Parts: sequence; C-alpha cells; structure tokens
Amino acid sequence: GAVVSQHPSRVICKSGTSVKIECRSLDFQATTMFWYRQFPKQSLMLMATSNEGSKATYEQGVEKDKFLINHASLTLSTLTVTSAHPEDSSFYICSAPQGSYSNQPQHFGDGTRLSIL
Amino acid sequence: AQKITQTQPGMFVQEKEAVTLDCTYDTSDPSYGLFWYKQPSSGEMIFLIYQGSYDQQNATEGRYSLNFQKARKSANLVISASQLGDSAMYFCAMRELPHSGAGSYQLTFGKGTKLSVIP
Repeated sequence: GAVVSQHPSRVICKSGTSVKIECRSLDFQATTMFWYRQFPKQSLMLMATSNEGSKATYEQGVEKDKFLINHASLTLSTLTVTSAHPEDSSFYICSAPQGSYSNQPQHFGDGTRLSIL
Repeated sequence: AQKITQTQPGMFVQEKEAVTLDCTYDTSDPSYGLFWYKQPSSGEMIFLIYQGSYDQQNATEGRYSLNFQKARKSANLVISASQLGDSAMYFCAMRELPHSGAGSYQLTFGKGTKLSVIP
C-alpha cells in the first residue's frame, strides 16, 4: 500500500486562485519532504526541500513567494501555489525519505495535476 | 554537468524479451545510492530497485536486476521477460548528500527512458 499520500490528485481552477496540495507520510515520520515539478515528457525537477520545524529550502529559480511550503508536523507538508497562473500548470509530486541514509527508499505520492485556466 | 545521464529517450522491446536501460552517473562522494523508478502514464512513481555504492553484488528484485559497474559509473536496469504492463517511463536516480554537507539526502533524476513493449 501507499506510504505517502498526496491530495488532491487533480485540480482545475481559474487564474488567480491559490491552490494547496497536501503530502502526508503514512506509518512513518518524515522530518524532510521533497517537492518536485514535472512538465510533460520531462524529468522530475526538485523545487524545494520541506523541513519540519524550520524554513523550506528552495532550489535556484523557484519563487518562494509563489510556492509556499509549510511542514506542519512530522507527517504533513503542504505546498501552496499562490495566485496561480496558466504557466503554473504542471504535475506536482512530493516524496518523503523513510530515513536519512542514502540506502533508504524515498517514497512518492501519486502526484497532483494542476491545470490553471 | 548532468549527474545522471540516460542516453536512450525511447526503447522498444518485444514482449517476453529482456531489455537493458542505460544509466551513467557522476559523483565524487564515496557514499551514494542509485535507484530506478517506473512512472506509468498515470503519473505515480513506483520504486523498482536500489543499489548502494558499497554493495558488492548487483541488486535484483524479481524481474528487475541492476548491472552495477562502479568503475564505469554505470547502473543499467535489466528487465527480463518483458510484459505489456512494463510500458512506462523509467527514471534512474542518485541519492547523495547536498554539496553543503548538511541536510537530508537529495534525489537527482535522469531525463528518463520511455519503454514500449510490443506484443
């Protein structure tokens, strides 16, 4: 069964709307979660690292004010796309490593398809 | 420079045949992990197999095996007895410490290979 739950799976909304995406780790605690963005037929691009109890770490070129990340607890991270525009339409996927060592698996949510009209 | 290179944008394989998906990587860290994920058209990322940099033997998981050649920095995925359900995107990924030395391990992905299994 899934070990990371991501919700919602699909969002269609009007330009200017803010959209919140939730990522939950099931049956394990995740002090760190990762948010990726994937354009069609491309690879996953790391957007930011969500850290429980501290600020998120954003990758170069990712707007902090556009993509707000809150790691509210050891099992929940949220990504809010603020005032979304059509160029924000994409597939967003979160992941959580089950541990902090390189040999431990990184579990992914099922992703969120965001479409801004 | 790319850390993970997948040189095959697309591959075709006949059903029941074996197929090898190439992956080379670049790192100066002695400790790292290599992963393969499958992404069907529905979008979810399915973990297939893991190889650690210190592992002496090639990893195997059912029909999946990893041909790990450390000196060449390659970690090719071999899928035996291909099935129609194997048609998907396949991503090679590496997990290493961030350059700052602090923080959690980050996963870096290659561009992926689209595998199509032909009946």
